[in-house]
Amino acid sequence: AQSVAQPEDQVNVAEGNPLTVKCTYSVSGNPYLFWYVQYPNRGLQFLLKYITGDNLVKGSYGFEAEFNKSQTSFHLKNPSALVSDSALYFCAVSLTPADRGSTLGRLYFGRGTQLTVWP
Amino acid sequence: NAGVTQTPKFQVLKTGQSMTLQCAQDMNHEYMSWYRQDPGMGLRLIHYSVGAGITDQGEVPNGYNVSRSTTEDFPLRLLSAAPSQTSVYFCASSYQTRADEAFFGQGTRLTVV
Repeated sequence: AQSVAQPEDQVNVAEGNPLTVKCTYSVSGNPYLFWYVQYPNRGLQFLLKYITGDNLVKGSYGFEAEFNKSQTSFHLKNPSALVSDSALYFCAVSLTPADRGSTLGRLYFGRGTQLTVWP
Repeated sequence: NAGVTQTPKFQVLKTGQSMTLQCAQDMNHEYMSWYRQDPGMGLRLIHYSVGAGITDQGEVPNGYNVSRSTTEDFPLRLLSAAPSQTSVYFCASSYQTRADEAFFGQGTRLTVV
């Protein structure tokens, strides 16, 4: 069965320091990979995605993510964290219909990682 | 362009009551879905739809019902509310490709007492 793992429930960093939020996946085929962010009492917002091409993708608010096919990982990074980056971050994958009967458009989410950036 | 609109934002129900959570999108997206979010559980898919008249079950469909009579609307019905259905519910929509990102509503915080 396909799965998405975010091994850290919480990540704490000081403002101005680099941050990494980890994501690994176990799926068949070639998934498309996404990161979403959820601020308190809000819905999820799209941050960035990897479809094909350059393994390093850049998104909003200075975030980027590195796709590593051999390690089946898609870690989210930011070189300089801000207090306003504090939020819940979700990794997600999208599969082809051939992947174990997956439906086109369906997303599989990790459990989320709470990022706290302190001043 | 309002995106995905969910109503209500908050709701308290008594055990056994029924209600409908509304979801509407104005982006002409084929794919719509309902998730529930519980602490430590992430997002779990309840039901989804790939177009008007077509719905299917997700991971946790029991106790919920959906219909998709139009492209725009995808209501979620709680048939007989139970305390275990206390959660935050999110509706999402996207084009039915695997490359396009999903758009989420603001959520409905439901408490069943």
